[in-house]
Amino acid sequence: DGGITQSPKYLFRKEGQNVTLSCEQNLNHDAMYWYRQDPGQGLRLIYYSQIVNDFQKGDIAEGYSVSREKKESFPLTVTSAQKNPTAFYLCASGLASSNEQFFGPGTRLTVL
Amino acid sequence: GEDVEQSLFLSVREGDSSVINCTYTDSSSTYLYWYKQEPGAGLQLLTYIFSNMDMKQDQRLTVLLNKKDKHLSLRIADTQTGDSAIYFCAALTYTGGFKTIFGAGTRLFVKA
Repeated sequence: DGGITQSPKYLFRKEGQNVTLSCEQNLNHDAMYWYRQDPGQGLRLIYYSQIVNDFQKGDIAEGYSVSREKKESFPLTVTSAQKNPTAFYLCASGLASSNEQFFGPGTRLTVL
Repeated sequence: GEDVEQSLFLSVREGDSSVINCTYTDSSSTYLYWYKQEPGAGLQLLTYIFSNMDMKQDQRLTVLLNKKDKHLSLRIADTQTGDSAIYFCAALTYTGGFKTIFGAGTRLFVKA
């Protein structure tokens, strides 16, 4: 089955810990994106990558880091520097030539 | 900066039509999208319209675009309980690179 997957679905973290969220796609998409969703707000772009080994900061990159070593994978690390990390995190992918984004099912991160 | 606004809630009775409205600020937006998000899930692209069109129909969905007023609407005919979800309006803009700006989402409640 082709698609975009995120794991885990739920994640709990203690304050001060780094945590990595997984995002994998087998759609052969060049571009991948990470968004954060908070209640009553639109999606906010954290990081995006248009090609392997390259990525760009979005609007709220502080406290996050990413890597893009493989076309299929775009993991997001939420570091202890992120002051308010509890949120729903959505990964998306798309073709560089197209404007449509395909979303994963999301990971809900809760900091205890 | 670019902004996309939509009302937060809409309640309709089953069988009625739903109309979800959205306004955007960037008149050069080329594509405008409607996404649907069910509880605890990622976003699913419902439909999109190119900026040189004023209407697009796809089964029960009708998108109307008033480019002069920068107003977009999504009409769902014969609304069903399964249509209950959050609907996001999004606009593709260009500011040194293509970027998709999302609204905060309209939560649609369908009463039986």
